[in-house]
Amino acid sequence: AQTVTQSQPEMSVQEAETVTLSCTYDTSESDYYLFWYKQPPSRQMILVIRQEAYKQQNATENRFSVNFQKAAKSFSLKISDSQLGDAAMYFCAPNPNQKLVFGQGTRLTINP
Amino acid sequence: SQTIHQWPATLVQPVGSPLSLECTVEGTSNPNLYWYRQAAGRGLQLLFYSVGIGQISSEVPQNLSASRPQDRQFILSSKKLLLSDSGFYLCAWGTGFSGNTIYFGEGSWLTVV
Repeated sequence: AQTVTQSQPEMSVQEAETVTLSCTYDTSESDYYLFWYKQPPSRQMILVIRQEAYKQQNATENRFSVNFQKAAKSFSLKISDSQLGDAAMYFCAPNPNQKLVFGQGTRLTINP
Repeated sequence: SQTIHQWPATLVQPVGSPLSLECTVEGTSNPNLYWYRQAAGRGLQLLFYSVGIGQISSEVPQNLSASRPQDRQFILSSKKLLLSDSGFYLCAWGTGFSGNTIYFGEGSWLTVV
């Protein structure tokens, strides 16, 4: 069975600071991608960043970057220069067999 | 560009009543379609998955069913709702390639009373 663990139910960070959200997963598949989605209070699921599992280079998208450790099955998200609009639930999700498997999420609060 | 719509946005239904949530995708053909459920404060759980018309895979045993009568239409149904069916339901689509992003609809809040 595929499992995803986000060990930080809640995190908070000062505006303009950097925060890292952790994620570990377990899958027996070799071909998959990994995603971070953001869910603001509107409940809309918004893609933040994605990583190809066969690439060693970590993905970066503006202020968002990942630290992907395939052997350890770890996929953390770093948010630099945090902004008030970053406040949301963040979900880590690998997609073995083209089906997203979600963790329980981390609620991120941004303190002004 | 591709868009996904689902409705209704909010639904309050009594126990034992039927359910029908609809989802349509525009701007693409032969998409993979998904129904997810999100319980309060929790992650998303995959309920159903479809790779084509009439092809439905159920991921978890439950009181719900899904149908895909047309290429870009996905329907979530129940004949008799249970209290435990309450939650936030999200339809999603993807191209079927492992690297492609899965995109979500706006979601439907279902409260069973």
